[in-house]
Amino acid sequence: AQSVTQLDSQVPVFEEAPVELRCNYSSSVSVYLFWYVQYPNQGLQLLLKYLSGSTLVKGINGFEAEFNKSQTSFHLRKPSVHISDTAEYFCAVRGGAGNMLTFGGGTRLMVKP
Amino acid sequence: GAVVSQHPSWVICKSGTSVKIECRSLDFQATTMFWYRQFPKQSLMLMATSNEGSKATYEQGVEKDKFLINHASLTLSTLTVTSAHPEDSSFYICSARDSLGTPSYEQYFGPGTRLTVT
Repeated sequence: AQSVTQLDSQVPVFEEAPVELRCNYSSSVSVYLFWYVQYPNQGLQLLLKYLSGSTLVKGINGFEAEFNKSQTSFHLRKPSVHISDTAEYFCAVRGGAGNMLTFGGGTRLMVKP
Repeated sequence: GAVVSQHPSWVICKSGTSVKIECRSLDFQATTMFWYRQFPKQSLMLMATSNEGSKATYEQGVEKDKFLINHASLTLSTLTVTSAHPEDSSFYICSARDSLGTPSYEQYFGPGTRLTVT
C-alpha cells in the first residue's frame, strides 16, 4: 500500500516571496511522483513529475521539486510566487503492481498582494 | 500534449433522475480510464477504474449500481449517475492513461463536471 501526506492544508504567502509545499509519501516499492495544480472548478494540470534520474525536477510555471529518497519526500518549491499561483496543489504517487495514482490531501496556496 | 475532455462541464438535475457524463481522450488511445469524485476543499477520491471492453473495477464503498461506467471504445468512457440524490452532488473528474506503454504511464485529467442534484 502507498500513501501521501501533504503536511500543510493551507499556505499563505505574499507575492514575490518564496514558497515550499511539503509532501511525504510511503511505499514499499519504487515510485513515480507527481505534482498537480488545480484552479477553481477545473481539472488537474501536471506541474512536474519524477520518474528516475536527477532528483531535482523542474516543471512549468517556474516550479521545481526535489526527490529525497531517504526522507521519502518530494517537496515543491518556487522562488517567487505570483498572484496567479493561487490554487490547490496535489502531490501524488504511483507505484506497485496496479500502477494506481494515490493523491495527497492537497495544499491550498494563497498568494497575497 | 494529450487532451481529455468531459461533457457536460456542469449539470443540474432533479432528484431521482439519471445523468450521464462523457469522458473522451481526444488525441490518444486510452485502454484505461479512471473516475474520481471530489468534494469541496477535499482531495480526489478514486471511484472506479475502467478498461476498454471490460467491466469497471469499483473502489470499496462505491455503489456500482448507482454509478454505471461504460468504456466501450479506446477514446470514450461514460459515467451514469442513476437515481441521483442531493448527496451525489459533487465534482466528477475523469482521467485517461495513455496505452502506448510509456514508462510513466502518465494519466491525463479532464476538466471535470460539476453535478448539482436539486
